[in-house]
Formats: sequence, structure tokens, C-alpha cells
Amino acid sequence: NAGVTQTPKFQVLKTGQSMTLQCAQDMNHEYMSWYRQDPGMGLRLIHYSVGAGITDQGEVPNGYNVSRSTTEDFPLRLLSAAPSQTSVYFCASSQGQGVNDEKLFFGSGTQLSVL
Amino acid sequence: SQQGEEDPQALSIQEGENATMNCSYKTSINNLQWYRQNSGRGLVHLILIRSNEREKHSGRLRVTLDTSKKSSSLLITASRAADTASYFCATRVHSARQLTFGSGTQLTVLP
Repeated sequence: NAGVTQTPKFQVLKTGQSMTLQCAQDMNHEYMSWYRQDPGMGLRLIHYSVGAGITDQGEVPNGYNVSRSTTEDFPLRLLSAAPSQTSVYFCASSQGQGVNDEKLFFGSGTQLSVL
Repeated sequence: SQQGEEDPQALSIQEGENATMNCSYKTSINNLQWYRQNSGRGLVHLILIRSNEREKHSGRLRVTLDTSKKSSSLLITASRAADTASYFCATRVHSARQLTFGSGTQLTVLP
């Protein structure tokens, strides 16, 4: 199993550009999520999904869209990039519905810079 | 505001010494988890402790939980240079579909 795969690893955007961060998992996990990691802030939840066709907002959803058309894929879209979205983005998944004793499996991250 | 806060923010020790880092949180939890992040990599799950547990061990790791003080500690015994990483606590509030992470402790183990 490859686990959680994120692409690209690095990306530079200009303000106002749009892009999609890809995330795929091959563990048949129901729960998938996107976090951003900023220095001194830890990880903050952007959006999450408890199954295909179901998404919900996390702590910092503004400026980001998600969809979940399949169990495997959970892309994150930046509609109009802003410098405040410069960050490292992590996709994570877990086996269940995101409750109880489930642990998260993380991808290796996407480092995004918005100029 | 963050649910979990780690202390200290940074810790530097010699190889072979023990490393202790702490996590405090604000609201009642279902469980608390510890994760490790090596530089430039994603987070890796280390250990989970439930709210009705007080202590758990996994290899050189020992985690304690004090729900009355809303705090947890992670002890790494006989540290190695390979333990150099950032360590994060994450809490799951009852019935919440998300883990909330603290800002992490950067551990450096000097050879």
C-alpha cells in the first residue's frame, strides 16, 4: 500500500491564481481531511469528509473548496490564491468516521507559496 | 483557539537522556494522541490514550493522562539522535469528527 499520496510536493502561485492539491489513499478509509501547518500554529483543520459525497468545514475553511466523489480521492481547491494561504498542506485519512479511537495517517505534504 | 498546547516549545538533550514533553488542553476529551513529525515529512501516529486511562507504554514511549488537570505527558526514554523531530499532541472531543492539534515541541537529541 502506498498509504496517503499528495501531489504536488511544491507549488508556487501568484495571487489570484487557482489550483488543486491532490490527495489519494489506497487504504479504503472512510474519513479524509485537509490540514494546513503554519509556524507556531500547529495543524489547523480546513475541511473533512466522512465518506463519498459528504464534506464538512473545519476550523479554517475560507478560500478553500473540497469534493469527495470517490472513497479514494479528496482534492483541495484554492479558488483565488492569497499570500495568507502560503503554508504546508497535509492530507490525512482514518479508517472510520473520524470519531472514537481512530488514528490519522498523513501524506507527506504540499509546500505552497503564494506570491 | 487551540485545544492542545505543548510545553516546552523546544527541548535539546544529549543522546541517552530522557525527554519529557507536556500537553495541556481545555475541554473534556474522548482521547488524546501523540504524533511525531520528522523535518519535511508528514505526521506519524505514536500512541493513543483514552480518557479513562492514566498511563500507556509503547516501547521507549510512556504517556500519562491526568483528566483532572487536563494534561498529558510524553516521556521518551534513552533518547537517540533519530528521535530528533517535532512532537504534537492531538485531542478528540466527545463525538467530534476532528482531531485538534497543538503547536508542537521541537526535540533535538545531540549525539
